[in-house]
Amino acid sequence: EDKVVQSPLSLVVHEGDTVTLNCSYEVTNFRSLLWYKQEKKAPTFLFMLTSSGIEKKSGRLSSILDKKELFSILNITATQTGDSAVYLCAVENYGGSQGNLIFGKGTKLSVKP
Amino acid sequence: NAGVTQTPKFQVLKTGQSMTLQCAQDMNHEYMSWYRQDPGMGLRLIHYSVGAGITDQGEVPNGYNVSRSTTEDFPLRLLSAAPSQTSVYFCASSSPPDNFDGYTFGSGTRLTVV
Repeated sequence: EDKVVQSPLSLVVHEGDTVTLNCSYEVTNFRSLLWYKQEKKAPTFLFMLTSSGIEKKSGRLSSILDKKELFSILNITATQTGDSAVYLCAVENYGGSQGNLIFGKGTKLSVKP
Repeated sequence: NAGVTQTPKFQVLKTGQSMTLQCAQDMNHEYMSWYRQDPGMGLRLIHYSVGAGITDQGEVPNGYNVSRSTTEDFPLRLLSAAPSQTSVYFCASSSPPDNFDGYTFGSGTRLTVV
């Protein structure tokens, strides 16, 4: 069965801390892994990873994929209260002409002042 | 720059009522999909479409119908609402595989069935 598992499910830190969110997966036909940030509304796109070992970086956020060990991490450095959100990991299961996303349950991050 | 537009944003239905959740995108994306999000369950795929006239079932299709008569629109129909369909529904679209850059989500529809 295809699945995506995120850990931890929730995390409370203080401003300035560095956090690491984990995502492991078992998918039949992997094409890409995506990270989303979800606040009150729709998930917003952070990163898409397709190749192992290549770090994607955007400001204080970075992510890397390990296709051999089937996991990805999302790092957030110098956390701010605005980083409080649910972070979703999704894997694109590619079959035929298009892929579908399989989501993990998310990690709820709370950043306290 | 509308992206993916969902209507309505909120809806309350009585058990047995029917309704249609609307989804429209203006990015000329071929691929569109519907997800539901329940507490502790993540997002689960209901139905998807790879182009006009083509639809297929996802992980949790029971109780829902879809059609795709145009590239822009992908409505989700509940024929006879049940309390188990209380959820937040998201529509998403994406560009073709040869130009894939992630999925764009609508702002969601919060549905309550009483």
